[in-house]
Amino acid sequence: EPEVTQTPSHQVTQMGQEVILRCVPISNHLYFYWYRQILGQKVEFLVSFYNNEISEKSEIFDDQFSVERPDGSNFTLKIRSTKLEDSAMYFCARSGVNTGELFFGEGSRLTVL
Amino acid sequence: QKEVEQDPGPLSVPEGAIVSLNCTYSNSAFQYFMWYRQYSRKGPELLMYTYSSGNKEDGRFTAQVDKSSKYISLFIRDSQPSDSATYLCAIDRGSTLGRLYFGRGTQLTVWP
Repeated sequence: EPEVTQTPSHQVTQMGQEVILRCVPISNHLYFYWYRQILGQKVEFLVSFYNNEISEKSEIFDDQFSVERPDGSNFTLKIRSTKLEDSAMYFCARSGVNTGELFFGEGSRLTVL
Repeated sequence: QKEVEQDPGPLSVPEGAIVSLNCTYSNSAFQYFMWYRQYSRKGPELLMYTYSSGNKEDGRFTAQVDKSSKYISLFIRDSQPSDSATYLCAIDRGSTLGRLYFGRGTQLTVWP
């Protein structure tokens, strides 16, 4: 059973449209993360979120990306104006007990046409 | 980025074989070493977690870290068809919580 639940499992959108991907933790955690995996490439860190604030972000996480936890439960990743190269699997993760331990959701597959 | 290098394979072995998967990394500051298993179109699943150098065993799986060589390994004994998946090494510097650097993954097929 996944540690976090992600929706949608698959979204197809037109270039330039806004997309919101959602993540719901099974239990209460403070640290959350978004990673992405372009087909055939490495899993890449996007952003970490702690106590309702961005803790760290990668160079990939530019102004078109944003994260928030609007209701204290759901954790969202918004892509404001999607580009073709945003097509990827997006994974939400929560931290474990040990440093570096992450538990990933099943992912949301984003296809930008 | 070349923080972590991993041979993508594919690797194909018969059931019962011993499998050896490896990664190298560039930065000696890395402290935490993980192996994840990923089935097609699914999220990575944490398999093994080790801190610093040494071996760690869990059932048929053994993770090995050699910090002097910047080399990490995962051994699978008595491999099973259900072990067929992509295996990802991941490394954490420890200074920024949860920012993992992943290898590209090695695709493993265990045939009956």
